[in-house]
Amino acid sequence: ETGVTQSPTHLIKTRGQQVTLRCSSQSGHNTVSWYQQALGQGPQFIFQYYREEENGRGNFPPRFSGLQFPNYSSELNVNALELDDSALYLCASSLKREGQGEQFFGPGTRLTVL
Amino acid sequence: GENVEQHPSTLSVQEGDSAVIKCTYSDSASNYFPWYKQELGKRPQLIIDIRSNVGEKKDQRIAVTLNKTAKHFSLHITETQPEDSAVYFCAASKGSNYQLIWGAGTKLIIKP
Repeated sequence: ETGVTQSPTHLIKTRGQQVTLRCSSQSGHNTVSWYQQALGQGPQFIFQYYREEENGRGNFPPRFSGLQFPNYSSELNVNALELDDSALYLCASSLKREGQGEQFFGPGTRLTVL
Repeated sequence: GENVEQHPSTLSVQEGDSAVIKCTYSDSASNYFPWYKQELGKRPQLIIDIRSNVGEKKDQRIAVTLNKTAKHFSLHITETQPEDSAVYFCAASKGSNYQLIWGAGTKLIIKP
């Protein structure tokens, strides 16, 4: 198992609500990436944070936002939840330096929007 | 932006036989290509990766090949075992940003 943890493990919300998901990165890592994985599909890149700054964003609307804290843990916030936001949300931590690429994934948060 | 296509979506092989999964990518600047294994209800786990300065990499029963000209890369699993049953994802990224673009996945079924 990796040292990446996520909370909560499961969450049920209703349409229009807001949600915050949390990720603690592996010790020594400075980069956190967030992915959305719908059932039966591959993960989709949401955004990445490096040293508390957003460092790239996928094709997701502004109601998906995030933060990275000085200890490199991170939050994903989703406003105005829609039914299609139901998915497994994965965070992955990595150490940004040349020649390194491996991302270590957390167990994910399963979000259900009713 | 980058697009990664993966085939087949499902692959069923007899235990002991080889399995091959193929991916193509669209962005010629992509330079890092990992393969992940995801068992039901679990997190993706890296099984092997390759960089664009290498054409082939092997780790025991698993190998990956990369053809930069054709922009495709493949995962080869030899002597398949029941524990190889899972969903396998290919991905690609460029530069040092490690923002992975993923394929849709291949469900590998190992028949006893």
